[in-house]
Amino acid sequence: DAGITQSPRHKVTETGTPVTLRCHQTENHRYMYWYRQDPGHGLRLIHYSYGVKDTDKGEVSDGYSVSRSKTEDFLLTLESATSSQTSVYFCAIRDRTSNTEAFFGQGTRLTVV
Amino acid sequence: GESVGLHLPTLSVQEGDNSIINCAYSNSASDYFIWYKQESGKGPQFIIDIRSNMDKRQGQRVTVLLNKTVKHLSLQIAATQPGDSAVYFCAVGIQGAQKLVFGQGTRLTINP
Repeated sequence: DAGITQSPRHKVTETGTPVTLRCHQTENHRYMYWYRQDPGHGLRLIHYSYGVKDTDKGEVSDGYSVSRSKTEDFLLTLESATSSQTSVYFCAIRDRTSNTEAFFGQGTRLTVV
Repeated sequence: GESVGLHLPTLSVQEGDNSIINCAYSNSASDYFIWYKQESGKGPQFIIDIRSNMDKRQGQRVTVLLNKTVKHLSLQIAATQPGDSAVYFCAVGIQGAQKLVFGQGTRLTINP
């Protein structure tokens, strides 16, 4: 999986609790992305990062925040989880300078009850 | 902005037949196109890509066709095998830009 590790792989949490998902890469890629995947919606971009401490919003960023303090780690935080955030979350990396494709992690299945 | 759609959410083919999966995009400035395969429980995996200066690109048993006039992209899989069962996504972007836009996916089922 191109040196991408997501943790945890599965999580069940209660509504209103904070949750942090971690993406770790060993490829030294500058660009990292968080997507969510839901039936009927495909992959939708939540946030992305183009360098340490440089992040920007995607199309479905409400209710999510991110942080990137090191090149290899990109964290996604749900400040107060809601049932609508039950989804499968994918992290991806991309080397924009070579215009290559995005490589995806294995995903984190999050259930908010 | 860009929007990406697929013509069929599901496709069922006989083993050994050829499969064609389609994708349409809206932004004429898009110039980079990728097909991904996603098996159950896994993340999407790169299959093949094509840039706008090409109309066709071939890989191993796969061919991607690009029609920029009608903003249409297709993935052809030759001699479909059971291992080809998966969801296939197209992704569209602009070279040098930061984001890709994904279609919703087509689930390909192979009948024995």
